Amino acid sequence: QVQLVESGGGLVEPGGSLRLSCAASGFTFRDYYMTWIRQAPGKGLQWVSYISISSSYTNYADSVRGRFTISRDDAKNSLYLQMNSLGADDTAVYYCARGRGGAYYYGLDVWGQGTTVTVS
Amino acid sequence: QSALTQPASVSGSPGQSITISCTGTSSDVGSYDLVSWYQQHPGKAPKLLIYEVSKSPSGISNRFSGSKSGNTASLTISGLQAEDEAEYYCCSYASSSSLIFGGGTKLTAL
Repeated sequence: QVQLVESGGGLVEPGGSLRLSCAASGFTFRDYYMTWIRQAPGKGLQWVSYISISSSYTNYADSVRGRFTISRDDAKNSLYLQMNSLGADDTAVYYCARGRGGAYYYGLDVWGQGTTVTVS
Repeated sequence: QSALTQPASVSGSPGQSITISCTGTSSDVGSYDLVSWYQQHPGKAPKLLIYEVSKSPSGISNRFSGSKSGNTASLTISGLQAEDEAEYYCCSYASSSSLIFGGGTKLTAL
């Protein structure tokens, strides 16, 4: 079935780095925009980044721009988020989500279960 | 960019209809018919309920409907059921080529 599975979360010290992965299955990964969304403990959802089909376009939330890098490997059906210079405000559950309809703004119709990043 | 504004909580009795509002600006909700709504139960991933203001993905109950007027989008849940108790988030495309979410609304089924 259509599925996204995140991994790579964990405990990291302030200023450290972490690389999240998202493994896709059950659909043609290369045909979809992908996004990262995060949710701090007890807080709401926050969009982090998107990457277009063929990695042609990316964009980031102001709070992570210059520190986070989104990438994808279509041969491996995988999405990544390289996170550098981490701070306490980056502590959150990180979800990968699929954009429907050939974009990232027509709704996010498939979500992973999330991976937890704790900066402390 | 500030989050879209949602009421912190709403409540209703089984069988009733409730509406959750989502207020943005002319740079997001007001300028694009690209509002989506998500349901999130505790400890679970969000689930897409509505996209492009009023369209429903397959498999979503027709009890959920969306609309928009000016800078405010709305989600209406009719025939409220106990299983609808969850957190609800709106999301809009914004002119900075980003997505902006609302702060979330906790729905309590009385």
